[in-house]
Amino acid sequence: DADVTQTPRNRITKTGKRIMLECSQTKGHDRMYWYRQDPGLGLQLIYYSFDVKDINKGEISDGYSVSRQAQAKFSLSLESAIPNQTALYFCATSDPDRHTQYFGPGTRLTVL
Amino acid sequence: GENVEQHPSTLSVQEGDSAVIKCTYSDSASNYFPWYKQELGKGPQLIIDIRSNVGEKKDQRIAVTLNKTAKHFSLHITETQPEDSAVYFCAASKGNTGNQFYFGTGTSLTVIP
Repeated sequence: DADVTQTPRNRITKTGKRIMLECSQTKGHDRMYWYRQDPGLGLQLIYYSFDVKDINKGEISDGYSVSRQAQAKFSLSLESAIPNQTALYFCATSDPDRHTQYFGPGTRLTVL
Repeated sequence: GENVEQHPSTLSVQEGDSAVIKCTYSDSASNYFPWYKQELGKGPQLIIDIRSNVGEKKDQRIAVTLNKTAKHFSLHITETQPEDSAVYFCAASKGNTGNQFYFGTGTSLTVIP
């Protein structure tokens, strides 16, 4: 969905490096999410934010941190990347009235 | 928390046949059940959803059924076409507690021409 963009789309990094994944949205939604997708495991929630001042941990927040710089921007950081963080990462926004989630195109992260 | 199970993990059907994907959930307080389609290289996109006050919903070739008593819901795709080939995810949410979604593990559907 072009309304939710993620950068970079692909990233290869080394163990121990700090990585930031960025998400921007033009849908005007207050709610934003970061998910991780692994083969056979579906989508797991890392962090979510209901507005700029509200950040919440999801199911698998260990090893990750987030920053909500503005309503439209929500960044995910890996402070010290490890190989088992190799995965596809999705940002999403949601419409609180309809509960619909809108996903970005994903970032494929490889940690060597 | 909520646990959503999805079956089968892979499904192959002939073009024109029907496909059925099933999900179960554990939390009886869940009241919103969306289905997402994920094409290769793209993020999931909502294709249909159902709320707990409804038993069935249809949108052209796609339908979703919900059995609240048994805590399961299903996606039905009729007259399948090659462009239906994708990974499908079910999810459950307690909509009134902030839209936290719990996803199934996905079904890879292949429609054979």
